Amino acid sequence: GQNIDQPTEMTATEGAIVQINCTYQTSGFNGLFWYQQHAGEAPTFLSYNVLDGLEEKGRFSSFLSRSKGYSYLLLKELQMKDSASYLCAPMDSNYQLIWGAGTKLIIKP
Amino acid sequence: IAGITQAPTSQILAAGRRMTLRCTQDMRHNAMYWYRQDLGLGLRLIHYSNTAGTTGKGEVPDGYSVSRANTDDFPLTLASAVPSQTSVYFCASSDERGRGTDTQYFGPGTRLTVL
Repeated sequence: GQNIDQPTEMTATEGAIVQINCTYQTSGFNGLFWYQQHAGEAPTFLSYNVLDGLEEKGRFSSFLSRSKGYSYLLLKELQMKDSASYLCAPMDSNYQLIWGAGTKLIIKP
Repeated sequence: IAGITQAPTSQILAAGRRMTLRCTQDMRHNAMYWYRQDLGLGLRLIHYSNTAGTTGKGEVPDGYSVSRANTDDFPLTLASAVPSQTSVYFCASSDERGRGTDTQYFGPGTRLTVL
């Protein structure tokens, strides 16, 4: 079956760095997406990885290892507005996104 | 209109009633999707449409129907609502389903409560 595993909740301090891990098992693979979702709002696109390695986009970076079925999202210089849920979603062989339950990130001053 | 809109924002519905959730996009995207999001679970795909005139079943299609008469609109209908359909419903669209780089963009959601 298809499965996504992310920590349910993480806490970090404003200004620090946090890494949110995601492991996945899917039928085929066509890349992996990360989305951010603030409470009561819609998910918004953060990043996409299809090749192994690190993709950097400002304060956010995303890493992928296809052989390990593993990805992480790295958030630097944390700000209070980064308090949100982060959703890991690999795309399977049918081009369907398989969504994890998300990691709720709490930022403390 | 900018992006994707959904209506209503929220709704309380008696069990057994029929309800249509509306979704409109102005990005001329070919593909559209309906998801439900429940606490502690990931987004689950209900139905999708690759292009106007076509629809497909997702992971949890039972009790729901969709139509895609044109590019912009993708309504979701609950023929006879049940309490287990209480959820937050998100509509999304993307340029072209079937490409790995195809990014989905989400509407603001409809919070539905079935009593």
